[in-house]
Amino acid sequence: DGGITQSPKYLFRKEGQNVTLSCEQNLNHDAMYWYRQDPGQGLRLIYYSQIVNDFQKGDIAEGYSVSREKKESFPLTVTSAQKNPTAFYLCASSGRTGMWNTEAFFGQGTRLTVV
Amino acid sequence: AQKITQTQPGMFVQEKEAVTLDCTYDTSDPSYGLFWYKQPSSGEMIFLIYQGSYDQQNATEGRYSLNFQKARKSANLVISASQLGDSAMYFCAMREFEGTNAGKSTFGDGTTLTVKP
Repeated sequence: DGGITQSPKYLFRKEGQNVTLSCEQNLNHDAMYWYRQDPGQGLRLIYYSQIVNDFQKGDIAEGYSVSREKKESFPLTVTSAQKNPTAFYLCASSGRTGMWNTEAFFGQGTRLTVV
Repeated sequence: AQKITQTQPGMFVQEKEAVTLDCTYDTSDPSYGLFWYKQPSSGEMIFLIYQGSYDQQNATEGRYSLNFQKARKSANLVISASQLGDSAMYFCAMREFEGTNAGKSTFGDGTTLTVKP
């Protein structure tokens, strides 16, 4: 089945450690996105990528890094520079570059907790 | 800059009645799309409906319709005949199609809808 997969579902991190969240899609989508969601809040854009080997900062990129070496994969690294990383992280993908009128497909999310 | 505003943190509706969830947006891009998503307590995001800035008619998808008023920059979601399963958080989102922000998708803070039996 086509879809977008995030792993792990739950992740615990010690303060001062970097951690990488996985996002894989087999929908042949060009665009991929990472969002952060805090309890009871909306989605805030961290990074997005429209094509392989290219990505742009979203509204809250500080303390995060991404790579887009393959079309299918868009991993997010939460670095130790992120002051308050505990949150729910959602990855999404959508359509072909230029076909911006297509909806985003979301993964099931990763809940990151700093302990 | 892109901005989405949802002014209703929480809404209540009686089962089988209609409800309108508000969304206003701000953009300088003449070409953009507006999306509504539903997020149940499980956390998954479900796409509901889409409206393009150049679409002449308001979008409809089953019980969902979008009241698009371009001049007022509003894109309200109307849910008809509410069901208990409609209880969830609803997000309005916008994606610009041109310029330096082409492809960037921004979400509002959401509205929590509770359907009462």
